[in-house]
Amino acid sequence: SQTIHQWPATLVQPVGSPLSLECTVEGTSNPNLYWYRQAAGRGLQLLFYSVGIGQISSEVPQNLSASRPQDRQFILSSKKLLLSDSGFYLCVGRIQLNTEAFFGQGTRLTVV
Amino acid sequence: AQSVAQPEDQVNVAEGNPLTVKCTYSVSGNPYLFWYVQYPNRGLQFLLKYITGDNLVKGSYGFEAEFNKSQTSFHLKKPSALVSDSALYFCAFSSSGGYQKVTFGTGTKLQVIP
Repeated sequence: SQTIHQWPATLVQPVGSPLSLECTVEGTSNPNLYWYRQAAGRGLQLLFYSVGIGQISSEVPQNLSASRPQDRQFILSSKKLLLSDSGFYLCVGRIQLNTEAFFGQGTRLTVV
Repeated sequence: AQSVAQPEDQVNVAEGNPLTVKCTYSVSGNPYLFWYVQYPNRGLQFLLKYITGDNLVKGSYGFEAEFNKSQTSFHLKKPSALVSDSALYFCAFSSSGGYQKVTFGTGTKLQVIP
């Protein structure tokens, strides 16, 4: 079965500092990969998705960027964090359109 | 725009009573509909899905959902709620026709009262 390793689980960063969150996939190749942000334990906002190496689609213009340097690696970055970047970030994968998604454990980011 | 809607922010139900968590969809093409659950301080887990075929689908932990095309709904149900069912539930969709995103509803918090 497919698994996503996402780290770190929690992160406290000062305003203006850079960010790099990484997730890696095991158990499958060529997955679609997604970064979501969940605010206050509620809805999931799609930030970026990728259908292959180097292919990134951005859903929401913001202070963040994403990259997919390898098939099973997906990275979320920021050059300078804002207070509003605080939240729960979730890496999600999917194999085919009609299959269920699989999830990383998430990263709780607090910008102070 | 394609979307799913969860009209209830929170559902409260007494332990042992049947529960329903509502989801409606607006999707072009053939919808693929999913339910996921998020327990406190944990990641999301898959519960069940509708792709095609039988409108009533059964999933994990005794949950089931009925795909209703005429009402564009995919409500999650369970005959007898457990306190351990208390969690955040998400309806989600993707579709045929090259729609690459996975779109989630806003989530419904289920509180099962002992």
